[in-house]
Amino acid sequence: GQSLEQPSEVTAVEGAIVQINCTYQTSGFYGLSWYQQHDGGAPTFLSYNALDGLEETGRFSSFLSRSDSYGYLLLQELQMKDSASYFCAVSRAGGFKTIFGAGTRLFVKA
Amino acid sequence: KAGVTQTPRYLIKTRGQQVTLSCSPISGHRSVSWYQQTPGQGLQFLFEYFSETQRNKGNFPGRFSGRQFSNSRSEMNVSTLELGDSALYLCASSSGTSGRSDNEQFFGPGTRLTVL
Repeated sequence: GQSLEQPSEVTAVEGAIVQINCTYQTSGFYGLSWYQQHDGGAPTFLSYNALDGLEETGRFSSFLSRSDSYGYLLLQELQMKDSASYFCAVSRAGGFKTIFGAGTRLFVKA
Repeated sequence: KAGVTQTPRYLIKTRGQQVTLSCSPISGHRSVSWYQQTPGQGLQFLFEYFSETQRNKGNFPGRFSGRQFSNSRSEMNVSTLELGDSALYLCASSSGTSGRSDNEQFFGPGTRLTVL
């Protein structure tokens, strides 16, 4: 089977750094993506990792360890507008099929 | 470039009815995926179409079906609606070709379906 696990909620203060972890179990793993979704909005793509290591995009960074079936999203210099749900998603080989985790609700407080 | 559009945005149906939802992908994108989103369940993958062919399918009953047209627009149909089908249905488009760009999906605003 396949599964993704991520924390259901994380709370952090403005200006801080927060890390959202994601562990996965799947066959034919191709890569790990991260999406952000604000209440009432559509998910928007943040990052994608196919190889081990860290990918940085502005305040957001994403890390992948294929051997550990683990990844994380790192958000720096948190802002109130970062309050949203964050989903990790696994892409599988053999056609385009993305499996999403249940999402992590991030609350940023002043 | 126009984004992904979905129609209708809201829909109310009763049990036993059927419904058809429409999705127009970003121009040039050939892959369209459909997801069901319910509170606490995240995004559940329904199916993916590429060049008018269903390329992948999730674990949903046969009441859920879809198709894709030659212009890449896609429709999904749910027959014999049940109360549990109430959800936000999202479609996402991508280039559909191999490579990094294939893994970035662009989501539409969704269709909020309520089954009474």
